[in-house]
Amino acid sequence: GAVVSQHPSWVICKSGTSVKIECRSLDFQATTMFWYRQFPKQSLMLMATSNEGSKATYEQGVEKDKFLINHASLTLSTLTVTSAHPEDSSFYICSALADSNQPQHFGDGTRLSIL
Amino acid sequence: QKEVEQDPGPLSVPEGAIVSLNCTYSNSAFQYFMWYRQYSRKGPELLMYTYSSGNKEDGRFTAQVDKSSKYISLFIRDSQPSDSATYLCAMRSGGSYIPTFGRGTSLIVHP
Repeated sequence: GAVVSQHPSWVICKSGTSVKIECRSLDFQATTMFWYRQFPKQSLMLMATSNEGSKATYEQGVEKDKFLINHASLTLSTLTVTSAHPEDSSFYICSALADSNQPQHFGDGTRLSIL
Repeated sequence: QKEVEQDPGPLSVPEGAIVSLNCTYSNSAFQYFMWYRQYSRKGPELLMYTYSSGNKEDGRFTAQVDKSSKYISLFIRDSQPSDSATYLCAMRSGGSYIPTFGRGTSLIVHP
């Protein structure tokens, strides 16, 4: 149980394009979903927290107009990197939480490469 | 001082060895403790989830929490090459659902 699916797993695109990443909880309803960014050999950096039906809460230094988060249902959250540039290239990982007494379960990440 | 300290390694051990991975922390409010395993280019996978102090065992894995020392450990018995990965500790208080992660320890189990 507690499966989180993230898609796509790898995307390469040109500078200036927008990229959407989907995160789905397959076998549970996620009250809260999280988006992380991870640089090579570094730990997870929390970007934002989202609850279904409400606006995401962004961490300090994360541009909300650059990284658009939509949590439309209890099983789906999306992250859109708008007008992506090479410095946005990174490994993006989502996680989902069923309730506050449970641990987060992570997706398999999306490797984003901007040329 | 970081809230959670974890030696990045790498830790290299022979197959069959007992592995000990550790984290220390400074926030006495932490009550929930987790260990995740992350393979290269994959998301973290939950291995152990414990509340408060004590031990928890699951197969070859044992998690220990010592709240008085603010120290948690993950032991892996009979380590296998397939255990080679980065192990992340994470912890949070009862009033927050956002955990604080260690930077991860890279483990290499060689045949």
